[in-house]
Amino acid sequence: KQEVTQIPAALSVPEGENLVLNCSFTDSAIYNLQWFRQDPGKGLTSLLLIQSSQREQTSGRLNASLDKSSGRSTLYIAASQPGDSATYLCAVRPNFGNEKLTFGTGTRLTIIP
Amino acid sequence: SAVISQKPSRDICQRGTSLTIQCQVDSQVTMMFWYRQQPGQSLTLIATANQGSEATYESGFVIDKFPISRPNLTFSTLTVSNMSPEDSSIYLCSARQGTAGQSFFGQGTRLTVV
Repeated sequence: KQEVTQIPAALSVPEGENLVLNCSFTDSAIYNLQWFRQDPGKGLTSLLLIQSSQREQTSGRLNASLDKSSGRSTLYIAASQPGDSATYLCAVRPNFGNEKLTFGTGTRLTIIP
Repeated sequence: SAVISQKPSRDICQRGTSLTIQCQVDSQVTMMFWYRQQPGQSLTLIATANQGSEATYESGFVIDKFPISRPNLTFSTLTVSNMSPEDSSIYLCSARQGTAGQSFFGQGTRLTVV
């Protein structure tokens, strides 16, 4: 059974710093991995999708990497801003025939002005 | 990308009653899903909404408690039946375009059962 873990559960950093969020998964046979952000009491906003054949994806100040063999993904946020404060979730899709996403436990990020 | 409208955004309901949540996608999508997020927890998949047929439920979720409809490729409903305080959660609709595409989510329905 696929298990997805995100450490740390919470992180506070001063505005302007670069930071890395971590996502680990137990079964490396994944189809793709997706990063989301969730504001309190709201739905999920898709940030980046990495297919299993890709090593990284970039969007603006965000860069996500994927190392399937080690079961890890990282989300790098450059020049953090208070608006980046949210909970960040990673989710893996097991394989082509399985449509279900398995979500991580999330990292609650606070950017201190 | 797909834009998903979900309503209501929040509701407070009496125990023993039912609530139907609607999910409308602005384009035709292959897959639609319903998730539950209990306070302080991550997301748990309730079921996959199948167009024109019965939904596929995950372990621990049953049709009598969470009936789901999907009459076409852009619309689905989830009903939370015979509610108890333990059903207080955020319920989220999700959709995916194509087999390798991104998953998108609605803004969620925050349900409080009193």
